[in-house]
Amino acid sequence: KAGVTQTPRYLIKTRGQQVTLSCSPISGHRSVSWYQQTPGQGLQFLFEYFSETQRNKGNFPGRFSGRQFSNSRSEMNVSTLELGDSALYLCASSITGAGSDTQYFGPGTRLTVL
Amino acid sequence: GNSVTQMEGPVTLSEEAFLTINCTYTATGYPSLFWYVQYPGEGLQLLLKATKADDKGSNKGFEATYRKETTSFHLEKGSVQVSDSAVYFCALSDHGTTGNQFYFGTGTSLTVIP
Repeated sequence: KAGVTQTPRYLIKTRGQQVTLSCSPISGHRSVSWYQQTPGQGLQFLFEYFSETQRNKGNFPGRFSGRQFSNSRSEMNVSTLELGDSALYLCASSITGAGSDTQYFGPGTRLTVL
Repeated sequence: GNSVTQMEGPVTLSEEAFLTINCTYTATGYPSLFWYVQYPGEGLQLLLKATKADDKGSNKGFEATYRKETTSFHLEKGSVQVSDSAVYFCALSDHGTTGNQFYFGTGTSLTVIP
């Protein structure tokens, strides 16, 4: 079974631009979560989607948004990019999103904001 | 609230040495506990998990026991190899919350030298 895939793997943007990242979960997984990983802050939860609905949200500004499609694929969007948005963005999927479910992570998208 | 406190790194060990990485948690509900490993340039991979008190997770020679009385989930391996060099993350997922929100420790970098 194919793992979680994320596209693109690398992105370079300039301040003020917007960016869209894509995540395809493992087949049959309906929950998709997004995380931001930086050396200073570690792994921080952005949001979780299940059945096209945002179910949980972390403490990030409204510039960070996401959505999930009927096939469980998910996108996250960051508008008005800031230098501090440079990070590795990780997507993870799980079957139902229950507390005991394992999350399976993709390889991440490395975003660099200049 | 929920949080994970993980042993600070970096940790450097000689091959075949014994490894312990400490992890303690705070949770409002009944969490599942996980150890993930991240190799350079990759996403996180599940190493092991435990879903209730006194459970022991094990994989690839690594072990961790869910200790509710000490709110701990320490990672151990009896004899490390060079290939174990990576960053290790302790995480919890609270059964009591809706959805699958993981709380991660800051990560412990392990380097094993021949």
